[in-house]
Amino acid sequence: SAVISQKPSRDICQRGTSLTIQCQVDSQVTMMFWYRQQPGQSLTLIATANQGSEATYESGFVIDKFPISRPNLTFSTLTVSNMSPEDSSIYLCSGIPWEGDQETQYFGPGTRLLVL
Amino acid sequence: AQSVTQLDSHVSVSEGTPVLLRCNYSSSYSPSLFWYVQHPNKGLQLLLKYTSAATLVKGINGFEAEFKKSETSFHLTKPSAHMSDAAEYFCVVSGSGGSYIPTFGRGTSLIVHP
Repeated sequence: SAVISQKPSRDICQRGTSLTIQCQVDSQVTMMFWYRQQPGQSLTLIATANQGSEATYESGFVIDKFPISRPNLTFSTLTVSNMSPEDSSIYLCSGIPWEGDQETQYFGPGTRLLVL
Repeated sequence: AQSVTQLDSHVSVSEGTPVLLRCNYSSSYSPSLFWYVQHPNKGLQLLLKYTSAATLVKGINGFEAEFKKSETSFHLTKPSAHMSDAAEYFCVVSGSGGSYIPTFGRGTSLIVHP
């Protein structure tokens, strides 16, 4: 298994600003993912964070809006840029442990973002 | 391609009665299937997973799920609901076509009445 922490746990931001969310894992993971969860809804995959290369974005998400970094096997950041109220959501990161079945994801507690 | 359908958006039970949360999947290959639980204002916690071993999978907190290939189902059950089981439950499929990108169901909200 893996224990994942996220910072900040929640934030209230003004429109037009940017917020960087950090995701730290207690062990090495092969793949890391970033999700968005609108209130009362399921998870939507934003991108797969690739170590040492550009992230792979899902349809509807672009690098200019959600730049992602992954400098090593235990850490990643997601930036929400030029925020608008529509970006208010829960952002979750997850990882697949290096030592495991290579399919099971473990999730962080999420970052609750409110944009005014 | 893969997809997952959670047949109920809400399930309401009384404490001490059985729980059934339904999930059907579609996959071109032998899938891996998961159930996650999300308590209010918390992240997702893995309940159990099926990865082509035993068709009846036992998870944490007394939950279990049965993989039925003929019915393309992976329903989650628990013999006796507890108040602490009230949460959102997500059925997830992955592994189709060699991709580890998961597909999440829309979620089922379990309500437990005293």
